[in-house]
Amino acid sequence: GAGVSQSPRYKVAKRGQDVALRCDPISGHVSLFWYQQALGQGPEFLTYFQNEAQLDKSGLPSDRFFAERPEGSVSTLKIQRTQQEDSAVYLCASSLGGTFDTEAFFGQGTRLTVV
Amino acid sequence: QQPVQSPQAVILREGEDAVINCSSSKALYSVHWYRQKHGEAPVFLMILLKGGEQKGHEKISASFNEKKQQSSLYLTASQLSYSGTYFCGTDYGGSQGNLIFGKGTKLSVKP
Repeated sequence: GAGVSQSPRYKVAKRGQDVALRCDPISGHVSLFWYQQALGQGPEFLTYFQNEAQLDKSGLPSDRFFAERPEGSVSTLKIQRTQQEDSAVYLCASSLGGTFDTEAFFGQGTRLTVV
Repeated sequence: QQPVQSPQAVILREGEDAVINCSSSKALYSVHWYRQKHGEAPVFLMILLKGGEQKGHEKISASFNEKKQQSSLYLTASQLSYSGTYFCGTDYGGSQGNLIFGKGTKLSVKP
């Protein structure tokens, strides 16, 4: 596609429910990043993939968060047993190169609201 | 360590200039600047690698002072389209994926 696509755009989950957020990066992009953005704050790093390999997951806040990119393209961020503090916009970004000296393109995000 | 951005917010009239600063207490490998409009994705502006270089993008330019561990974004002759929140993201070189963003500077350009 022309840009990074995320779905759904909005998700309302009841506390305790599991959710799955999808990211379609730009075709051919090696690197894929997930960020969490709270209202009025900057994006906070969650995890990073280079192709199908998850090279850094140091930002995942708890073991309820899990991300995968099995074939090196589409990625899914899964949150189990959602809590109210998980409410945020989840941003996905991709870049052509394997390091941070190239431009990263962000998707519009998925706004998750846990009620 | 999250970089510190200043100011937190700025209001300009069209045609005025502004400077946004991004400071780190830790040695930087690179600084990335993004602009985000409300409800939209952050949009890339530029990357500065250590070495004190300056880059430009139309009427938006930036510098990177390696000694001070600081980057500054310069907006000259601001346009209404410049409104949004500007984020700097810092890379400390240790982990390829861990770009740490500041809290942002909200810029409002009025006619």
